[in-house]
Amino acid sequence: IAGITQAPTSQILAAGRRMTLRCTQDMRHNAMYWYRQDLGLGLRLIHYSNTAGTTGKGEVPDGYSVSRANTDDFPLTLASAVPSQTSVYFCASSVGQGSNEQFFGPGTRLTVL
Amino acid sequence: AQSVAQPEDQVNVAEGNPLTVKCTYSVSGNPYLFWYVQYPNRGLQFLLKYITGDNLVKGSYGFEAEFNKSQTSFHLKKPSALVSDSALYFCAVRGESYNTDKLIFGTGTRLQVFP
Repeated sequence: IAGITQAPTSQILAAGRRMTLRCTQDMRHNAMYWYRQDLGLGLRLIHYSNTAGTTGKGEVPDGYSVSRANTDDFPLTLASAVPSQTSVYFCASSVGQGSNEQFFGPGTRLTVL
Repeated sequence: AQSVAQPEDQVNVAEGNPLTVKCTYSVSGNPYLFWYVQYPNRGLQFLLKYITGDNLVKGSYGFEAEFNKSQTSFHLKKPSALVSDSALYFCAVRGESYNTDKLIFGTGTRLQVFP
């Protein structure tokens, strides 16, 4: 059982380029999340999805988009990357009923130059 | 609005000594509280949660946390620290939507256990 996988592990990207971070879970969880982790700021929610076909904005959604075409996959797209999007990105999932813990992927380290 | 605060950026403790990592919260309604640990270059791992019931919650790796409603705190504790406990610890509270698992995280506390 893999849990949550993320790809790529790390990426260096030129500013202005488009990038999609991939996230797949095999736990049949309803809810999925994208966070960014920055030193001193903890984890901040970018976008979330309570169930397949629905998405919502988190605390820092600007410059990012997501889709949830099915239960397992939740890709995060940076349409035109900027240096302030340099961060470590974590995908997570949960059952989604209000009292459940989230399970996290291993993260993607993204550097935008 | 829901929020958590972790007042210490770093906690240092000698191996074998008890450890406490502090967390205070502010919520509307009943608090659902969580602790996570992050080892270097890894994702977050769930340690324990308080939903209801006993104020002392036991979790993974010998950790426990005490829910204190009057002090709005949820401190993480371990009776005897190990060097391998050195990591980044996050407290979190469930967001305002009661039918979702959205969490709001604190800024994290780095625990350093010295041999």
